[in-house]
Amino acid sequence: KNQVEQSPQSLIILEGKNCTLQCNYTVSPFSNLRWYKQDTGRGPVSLTIMTFSENTKSNGRYTATLDADTKQSSLHITASQLSDSASYICVVIDRGSTLGRLYFGRGTQLTVWP
Amino acid sequence: EADIYQTPRYLVIGTGKKITLECSQTMGHDKMYWYQQDPGMELHLIHYSYGVNSTEKGDLSSESTVSRIRTEHFPLTLESARPSHTSQYLCASEALGGAGTGNTIYFGEGSWLTVV
Repeated sequence: KNQVEQSPQSLIILEGKNCTLQCNYTVSPFSNLRWYKQDTGRGPVSLTIMTFSENTKSNGRYTATLDADTKQSSLHITASQLSDSASYICVVIDRGSTLGRLYFGRGTQLTVWP
Repeated sequence: EADIYQTPRYLVIGTGKKITLECSQTMGHDKMYWYQQDPGMELHLIHYSYGVNSTEKGDLSSESTVSRIRTEHFPLTLESARPSHTSQYLCASEALGGAGTGNTIYFGEGSWLTVV
């Protein structure tokens, strides 16, 4: 069964600190993996898209890693800001069809305290 | 910045009422989706469309219906709302080619529906 599991479920850190969010998946065949940020009451916004051959991709203070062999990804947030408080969702796309099917994790709820 | 818009953002309606959630995008995307998301839970696909006059049901069974008469417009309708329909509904779009090609999927801000 294709699944996407994220950990931790929730996380509280102090402003300025770093944190790492985890995503494990069983989706196969794999096409690409995406991290989205979803502010409370808003729609998800894309942070990174990683294909099979990419190990690391950065977007400002966000750095995503991918190990396609172990089917694990992480999202590292550097020097956290209050505006980073949000749910971070891992999405894995299969390549079983040309148009790709999306599998969503439940998200990690990050809270940054001043 | 994504050019995809949803209205209304928040709505409280009575049981048995008919409601249409609007979704419009100005990016010329062929693929559009409707997802349902309960708080703290993952998104579930309820409808999708590959283009005009093309609509399909998603993974999660839904009593809602959709139409795609114009490329930019993908409304979702509940003929008779029930409290079990209380949820957040997210509309999304992407260029034809699909997520498997690495296309970015853009989401709207969501419509929060409460049925009392």
